[in-house]
Amino acid sequence: EPEVTQTPSHQVTQMGQEVILRCVPISNHLYFYWYRQILGQKVEFLVSFYNNEISEKSEIFDDQFSVERPDGSNFTLKIRSTKLEDSAMYFCASSPGQGYNSPLHFGNGTRLTVT
Amino acid sequence: AQSVTQLGSHVSVSEGALVLLRCNYSSSVPPYLFWYVQYPNQGLQLLLKYTTGATLVKGINGFEAEFKKSETSFHLTKPSAHMSDAAEYFCAVLTGGGNKLTFGTGTQLKVEL
Repeated sequence: EPEVTQTPSHQVTQMGQEVILRCVPISNHLYFYWYRQILGQKVEFLVSFYNNEISEKSEIFDDQFSVERPDGSNFTLKIRSTKLEDSAMYFCASSPGQGYNSPLHFGNGTRLTVT
Repeated sequence: AQSVTQLGSHVSVSEGALVLLRCNYSSSVPPYLFWYVQYPNQGLQLLLKYTTGATLVKGINGFEAEFKKSETSFHLTKPSAHMSDAAEYFCAVLTGGGNKLTFGTGTQLKVEL
């Protein structure tokens, strides 16, 4: 079964550094998402992306965050200047369409540690 | 705003015993509800979903959930726990017109011999 793949599985970075988290969504999916889970807390929506533009974003997704689909297969999340509180598990997801009949398929996540 | 609440951050059962993981929702419109499972070092995997129609929904790995509007609940059950069921389980509700999911805080299921 096709999978969403994320790299790296674990990223350690210093505060203030830029970090790029990479995702390869399922090939025929059109909608892409980033979620994050701070240790011990809920999985939170960050952003959704469709047709090469952001379709929705949460209040967490401020100017420090950006997303890009640089080619036909990758979907990236960039954090421009990382803060300690950005330490979390970041999940990429994709879906073929919108609505309840197009459930999200999640990747295994990238654990980001900001020191 | 739509939300879900999971009661019990940790649940422990014996192998072969009934599994019951609780989820209550808050929604002003008919909700679309989901259960996801996260095995160690893996991503979130869809277990089952409720959209419309039959209120008892069957999912993978022998799990099922019943949508009860009168109780605003969508509890997840499995008649007989297996060691391989040990994982974290998340209830979620579809929010808005797109595919944005709002998750509960998760319940860690431990299965003991």
